Amino acid sequence: ETGVTQSPTHLIKTRGQQVTLRCSSQSGHNTVSWYQQALGQGPQFIFQYYREEENGRGNFPPRFSGLQFPNYSSELNVNALELDDSALYLCASSRIWTGGWETQYFGPGTRLLVL
Amino acid sequence: DQQVKQNSPSLSVQEGRISILNCDYTNSMFDYFLWYKKYPAEGPTFLISISSIKDKNEDGRFTVFLNKSAKHLSLHIVPSQPGDSAVYFCAARGGGSEKLVFGKGTKLTVNP
Repeated sequence: ETGVTQSPTHLIKTRGQQVTLRCSSQSGHNTVSWYQQALGQGPQFIFQYYREEENGRGNFPPRFSGLQFPNYSSELNVNALELDDSALYLCASSRIWTGGWETQYFGPGTRLLVL
Repeated sequence: DQQVKQNSPSLSVQEGRISILNCDYTNSMFDYFLWYKKYPAEGPTFLISISSIKDKNEDGRFTVFLNKSAKHLSLHIVPSQPGDSAVYFCAARGGGSEKLVFGKGTKLTVNP
């Protein structure tokens, strides 16, 4: 059973550019959530995807967008990058079923630096 | 506003002793609580969880206690080992959402 994987591991962009981060969910999981972790802070919820649709969103502007694919993998897109977008971006997968939710398991993250 | 608070940024204990990490929350809609451990350059690793219908959950060396009236939970690690040195995050969810709300973390150092 493979765990959650993310790519790339590190990325450097300049202000105003666009970035796409990728996540492959753990086998058997149907839900992907994205979190932003700034230095010295806990992870903050960006949004969640379930059945290829957004299933909840945190306090992030519309320039943060995402996709989920039929194989449950996911992308996080950020447009018009700002310096404050520099952070560790974490993807977590889990399973939603008729009985409820299961624990979220995290990938290693993508470290984004915006210059 | 911080709905989940970990007021101790760091904690240092001796190997073999007990480590106690604390977490407070403000949102009474939270009904499920989790602890994650994070090493540098890795993602958070799930440790242990507790539902609001329980007040204690054990898994090996790790025990989580929940005091709903005080809106407080704690993670006990006994005995502490140097490999437990990491940042520990408390997280909560509830109100019909699977969204996790995290504290800022506590850095635990276990000295040999």
